[in-house]
Amino acid sequence: AQSVTQLDSQVPVFEEAPVELRCNYSSSVSVYLFWYVQYPNQGLQLLLKYLSGSTLVKGINGFEAEFNKSQTSFHLRKPSVHISDTAEYFCAVRRNSGNTPLVFGKGTRLSVIA
Amino acid sequence: KAGVTQTPRYLIKTRGQQVTLSCSPISGHRSVSWYQQTPGQGLQFLFEYFSETQRNKGNFPGRFSGRQFSNSRSEMNVSTLELGDSALYLCASSLWSDSYNEQFFGPGTRLTVL
Repeated sequence: AQSVTQLDSQVPVFEEAPVELRCNYSSSVSVYLFWYVQYPNQGLQLLLKYLSGSTLVKGINGFEAEFNKSQTSFHLRKPSVHISDTAEYFCAVRRNSGNTPLVFGKGTRLSVIA
Repeated sequence: KAGVTQTPRYLIKTRGQQVTLSCSPISGHRSVSWYQQTPGQGLQFLFEYFSETQRNKGNFPGRFSGRQFSNSRSEMNVSTLELGDSALYLCASSLWSDSYNEQFFGPGTRLTVL
């Protein structure tokens, strides 16, 4: 079975500062990795995904993430955050073979302070 | 292209009642997954349907059931509601059921059980 640990439940950061949201996963098999964002009263929107290839993945809204197989991590980064980035961020994994569901972390609430 | 729609958006029920939630996937998408989101447990997978067949089921009691119609629209039903069923229920659709397929989420149905 797969599991995901998001190490920080809340991350406050000042506007225009960089941010890193941490995600570690556990799996005995190869997985695909995803980051989703959820704005208040909305569903989840895919920010980026790692399926294979380059370990540095670029997504929407200026976010990027790096897959580190040896450390089983997939941390999300943004060099300069905006007020509009305030939201809940979820890391998720899915086994890359067969048909298995997404497994989500508990989420990290990013609060951008003006 | 219209996104995933869920109806109703808000629902209030009392213990012991039953409820039916509806999800219309993006046109052409054949896979529909359901998730329960609560502050304590986070996002948990309920079930997935593909071409009217349940492909996967999460660890929820039999009170939770679902189905998918020939037009890919899906419904989930919760019978004998309990207070702990209060949650945001999210539906997600994808083209196929394979793990690399992006899941597109609807805005959710907020269920409150009194």
